[in-house]
Amino acid sequence: EADIYQTPRYLVIGTGKKITLECSQTMGHDKMYWYQQDPGMELHLIHYSYGVNSTEKGDLSSESTVSRIRTEHFPLTLESARPSHTSQYLCASSERTGMETQYFGPGTRLLVL
Amino acid sequence: GNSVTQMEGPVTLSEEAFLTINCTYTATGYPSLFWYVQYPGEGLQLLLKATKADDKGSNKGFEATYRKETTSFHLEKGSVQVSDSAVYFCALSSYSSASKIIFGSGTRLSIRP
Repeated sequence: EADIYQTPRYLVIGTGKKITLECSQTMGHDKMYWYQQDPGMELHLIHYSYGVNSTEKGDLSSESTVSRIRTEHFPLTLESARPSHTSQYLCASSERTGMETQYFGPGTRLLVL
Repeated sequence: GNSVTQMEGPVTLSEEAFLTINCTYTATGYPSLFWYVQYPGEGLQLLLKATKADDKGSNKGFEATYRKETTSFHLEKGSVQVSDSAVYFCALSSYSSASKIIFGSGTRLSIRP
């Protein structure tokens, strides 16, 4: 059983608000990822990290930012939410070595009005 | 570049029917191959994986064989249940993709009682 948590699970917020989506894992994994999942189910990598103080942008351009100050914590922030940010956000983690399995959190479903 | 192509859905079957979801890939080198499953309202979880040619991954009655000659990793199950209704993602990871996972677009499976 993977131990990776996301909060909140659901969030409805107005345009222009600042939001932070939390992701934490207790497995000591070095690598962490954020994906955006559209209604058609396709997953898009928006950010990833290979360890503390390491963050990289993913394949899909995103207005969000991330930080990695602690191994277990990888929050995603939107400074000014817009309706186009409405989506499901999935966090994942994996061990450092090789082509390893990714473990996913339950996701945060965001609705921006 | 690396890519994964999987059968488009939705796929609707009756309980106890035989299931095949096709997946083919393009990759340089020797990727690891995965099937992930996403149940309603949840994140993705690993269903099975194979790390080298001719390996067979299996779990919960599902099987997939890594076929390098046909660059395929088709998912099969002999007798599906209503509880198998979910979205299934084929994926690969390789050193040439910096160990990131490349996901297919997902196939939604619905099982009728």
